[in-house]
Amino acid sequence: QMQLQESGPGLVKPSETLSLTCTVSGGSITRSTYYWGWIRQPPGKGLEWIGSSVSYSGTTYYNPSLKNRVTISVDMSKNEISLKVTSVTASETAVYYCARHLARFGSPATDVWGKGTTVIVSS
Amino acid sequence: SYVLTQPPSVSVASGKTARITCGGNNIGSKSLHWYQQKPGQAPVTVIYYDSDRPSGIPERFSGSNSDNTATLTISRVEAGDEADYYCQVWDSDNYHVVFGGGTKLTVL
Repeated sequence: QMQLQESGPGLVKPSETLSLTCTVSGGSITRSTYYWGWIRQPPGKGLEWIGSSVSYSGTTYYNPSLKNRVTISVDMSKNEISLKVTSVTASETAVYYCARHLARFGSPATDVWGKGTTVIVSS
Repeated sequence: SYVLTQPPSVSVASGKTARITCGGNNIGSKSLHWYQQKPGQAPVTVIYYDSDRPSGIPERFSGSNSDNTATLTISRVEAGDEADYYCQVWDSDNYHVVFGGGTKLTVL
């Protein structure tokens, strides 16, 4: 059974870059039917989609509210997905989840979730 | 951009049927997915593509989607079903994922 594990610094300073890695085990990231994405959840709030990458086409979709500060990359040789968010602010303190999406009919639905990693943005 | 509207809370007695709605403009034309999240845990997918249940999800969970409202129905509600529930679609006009604000289900 596929598992996703997020890792990275738990504390990032304001204005710096948040970098996280999602390691995929139990299967290959190269399966063409899946998208790979990141979702976050600020404390006490709802889920917010960050972006998703279509591994077989190289296309990546991003939440427009993040205004070009986000990069999601898929490294098939390492079976990893990475996330970078530049110029972070305190409001981006959240639990960050890695996700695998099914993509039937071109509509992604998360079917595997990582356990999440907490990132605090603070000086 | 596309907006999904959920009631903030729904309460139901144990053993009864809970219905959680998700509203959106012509939502019936989109594929709708539901996630359950218990405190301190990652979300779990309970319904995808309107009415499909992932492996391991009880048959008590079902979904429907038509016109401007999608509904997650939980039959014979148990205390363990108490959680936040989120709906989600793909906004194909703007190429992004949209989540509803979430509904807290309380089992009385």
